[in-house]
Amino acid sequence: GAGVSQSPRYKVAKRGQDVALRCDPISGHVSLFWYQQALGQGPEFLTYFQNEAQLDKSGLPSDRFFAERPEGSVSTLKIQRTQQEDSAVYLCASSDPPGYGYTFGSGTRLTVV
Amino acid sequence: SQELEQSPQSLIVQEGKNLTINCTSSKTLYGLYWYKQKYGEGLIFLMMLQKGGEEKSHEKITAKLDEKKQQSSLHITASQPSHAGIYLCGADDNAGNMLTFGGGTRLMVKP
Repeated sequence: GAGVSQSPRYKVAKRGQDVALRCDPISGHVSLFWYQQALGQGPEFLTYFQNEAQLDKSGLPSDRFFAERPEGSVSTLKIQRTQQEDSAVYLCASSDPPGYGYTFGSGTRLTVV
Repeated sequence: SQELEQSPQSLIVQEGKNLTINCTSSKTLYGLYWYKQKYGEGLIFLMMLQKGGEEKSHEKITAKLDEKKQQSSLHITASQPSHAGIYLCGADDNAGNMLTFGGGTRLMVKP
């Protein structure tokens, strides 16, 4: 596609509910990144894929967060048993070659009530 | 780990005025990115700087990376309401693996 596509744009979840956020990167982009942006703050790194390999997941805040990219293109960020502190905008970015510019999606705004 | 500090955190200027936003790093910068973000939306790429002393311009926005590569500034000339938004600086980890972001500068331009 022409850009990075994320869905849904908005998600309201009840506390304890599981959610899945989707990222469709630019076609052919090798690297894919997930960021979490709390209200009024800059984005914080969550995890990074190169093709289907998850090379860095050091930013995932807890074991309730899980990300995958099974075929090296579309990625899903899953949050289990959501809590109020998970409320944030989740941004996805892709780049190719690695480090040569990062294109961001519009984000998914998650609100946990 | 690298930390980026942006100043000011927020800024309100009158339309037509010039302004400068600063981004200071705790470590040497290998790649410094400037992005703009509208509320509730994704990040729009503005410019990338890599070399000490480098300066780039796009329309009325100019970004510089100092010689020591630990500070960058973003300057907007003759600001317009369309410039309003959140400006974020991000630093590359030199391996292309991730970006570390500053906290952002919220700009409001009064007509």
